Amino acid sequence: GDSVTQMEGPVTLSEEAFLTINCTYTATGYPSLFWYVQYPGEGLQLLLKATKADDKGSNKGFEATYRKETTSFHLEKGSVQVSDSAVYFCALRYNQGGKLIFGQGTELSVKP
Amino acid sequence: DADVTQTPRNRITKTGKRIMLECSQTKGHDRMYWYRQDPGLGLRLIYYSFDVKDINKGEISDGYSVSRQAQAKFSLSLESAIPNQTALYFCATADRTGGTDTQYFGPGTRLTVL
Repeated sequence: GDSVTQMEGPVTLSEEAFLTINCTYTATGYPSLFWYVQYPGEGLQLLLKATKADDKGSNKGFEATYRKETTSFHLEKGSVQVSDSAVYFCALRYNQGGKLIFGQGTELSVKP
Repeated sequence: DADVTQTPRNRITKTGKRIMLECSQTKGHDRMYWYRQDPGLGLRLIYYSFDVKDINKGEISDGYSVSRQAQAKFSLSLESAIPNQTALYFCATADRTGGTDTQYFGPGTRLTVL
């Protein structure tokens, strides 16, 4: 079945470091891909998305490119801040039904 | 005020008890979802509803039931709670019109079953 796999956390970085969180997916069709972020004590918020191959989603300095050939959607940020500390979820969704399939989440901790 | 609210925010209950988690939204969306979050497992879909008369099971519906009382309200019930239902529960909404596909999440309900 369809699934999403993320790199295990926690990931601990110093402020201004470069961030990569790996995400790969298994899908029978051509889903849309998403990154959601969960700040401590809050629900999930959409961070960025891409709906077709080679699309790049971006928001708040974060970027991810939909790579069909490697079935990946890695999240990157050039310079992280303490306020980026959160849990990041990669997810896929097909048009019909609107159901999201989530990865297990990757916790990011950014130290001053 | 928050667009998607969940009550209660925290609940401790005992094995065998019936419990209801409630979700309300002011976004005017027709689609609503219930997920549970467990450490290391991400979020898993329990039930979803496309409108008041359309309710569907998700991947882990056993032991749960739902009620869509109105477009704005979607309740999740545990008829006889068991300890492995201890988790963080999230409600979400989405709007199918206009081509948007973003899901908006509530703040979550932390449920502990002793």
